Amino acid sequence: SQTIHQWPATLVQPVGSPLSLECTVEGTSNPNLYWYRQAAGRGLQLLFYSVGIGQISSEVPQNLSASRPQDRQFILSSKKLLLSDSGFYLCAWMGGHLSYNSPLHFGNGTRLTVT
Amino acid sequence: GQQLNQSPQSMFIQEGEDVSMNCTSSSIFNTWLWYKQDPGEGPVLLIALYKAGELTSNGRLTAQFGITRKDSFLNISASIPSDVGIYFCAGPNTGNQFYFGTGTSLTVIP
Repeated sequence: SQTIHQWPATLVQPVGSPLSLECTVEGTSNPNLYWYRQAAGRGLQLLFYSVGIGQISSEVPQNLSASRPQDRQFILSSKKLLLSDSGFYLCAWMGGHLSYNSPLHFGNGTRLTVT
Repeated sequence: GQQLNQSPQSMFIQEGEDVSMNCTSSSIFNTWLWYKQDPGEGPVLLIALYKAGELTSNGRLTAQFGITRKDSFLNISASIPSDVGIYFCAGPNTGNQFYFGTGTSLTVIP
């Protein structure tokens, strides 16, 4: 079966520090991968999605970047965090060897607090 | 991105009551998904709908894919305390970018 791992679960970082959040998927190949941000427990905002290694699409201009160095690895980064980057970050996957109609599956999220 | 409007925004109900919530889109979707999110966790898929008019059940949950393909409904029968959480609708565009509704927060009073 397929599983998704996201870490760390919580993170407290000072303003101006770098960020690296990692997400890996097991049990499938060539999945679509996504990063979402959720503020105040509501409203999932799509940040980045990737349909393959090295292929990243950004939904909104922001202080963050994403990379996909391996098929089942998706990384969210920032060179210098802002206070407004605080939030709940969720990684998700779909597809791969499954059918086109595969739904989206989420990791357990990372709670980021920028101080 | 596409907008999904979800209502109601929040609900406070007595245990045992039925719940109804809906989601509307400004554009057509070929898939509708319903998720539940518990505090501090990622959303979990409840029901997936793939065909206009489709009615699908998962235990006490029933969801429908609207005929116009611009709306969907989720019903929960005989609510229990563990139904508490935030419920989201979602749909993908043709590029498999998934957009989410604003969420319905459900509180069940024992």
